[in-house]
Amino acid sequence: NAGVTQTPKFQVLKTGQSMTLQCAQDMNHNSMYWYRQDPGMGLRLIYYSASEGTTDKGEVPNGYNVSRLNKREFSLRLESAAPSQTSVYFCASTSAGTPIYGYTFGSGTRLTVV
Amino acid sequence: AQSVSQHNHHVILSEAASLELGCNYSYGGTVNLFWYVQYPGQHLQLLLKYFSGDPLVKGIKGFEAEFIKSKFSFNLRKPSVQWSDTAEYFCAAQANQAGTALIFGKGTTLSVSS
Repeated sequence: NAGVTQTPKFQVLKTGQSMTLQCAQDMNHNSMYWYRQDPGMGLRLIYYSASEGTTDKGEVPNGYNVSRLNKREFSLRLESAAPSQTSVYFCASTSAGTPIYGYTFGSGTRLTVV
Repeated sequence: AQSVSQHNHHVILSEAASLELGCNYSYGGTVNLFWYVQYPGQHLQLLLKYFSGDPLVKGIKGFEAEFIKSKFSFNLRKPSVQWSDTAEYFCAAQANQAGTALIFGKGTTLSVSS
């Protein structure tokens, strides 16, 4: 089924470990986004990529890096995980700079840092 | 900076009651507005969106929202809620410019008792 695929779905890390969250979309969307969701905080934008080859910081970029590998894939990397990065991470994509059709979200990655 | 405020953190209703969830945005230019729903354990799904035209927009599952430009508001309504509407609801706004990202409110949890 067409959509946004995130891997892994669950992950437990120790403080200081690194990992990469993967996101891929097969809808030929130009723009991709990474959000984190925390209770009572809604979704906060970490990084986004308006088009292949570009990335920009969102509201909460500290502690993260991203790579827009190609048009399909947009990965999020935690270089040295901290407990404050325990969250649910959502990747999203949309067809153009302005989301006429709204965003399509992945099913999320639940990350726990101990 | 662009921001979205949702007035209610948690709303509790009985089945068949009417629903109105408040949303205000702050942005000086033209914005696109959205309501998303997240059912327990699932990812976000688009309920409805407003870009231009008729300020009263209808979405899926009997939801509607009214854009009132003078009040910077985009409130979500449903005449008669069902137990299955129990979920978290997010209002989101995006500046109508290429390359900008969705900004979400903190969400409203709706609990409907049967």
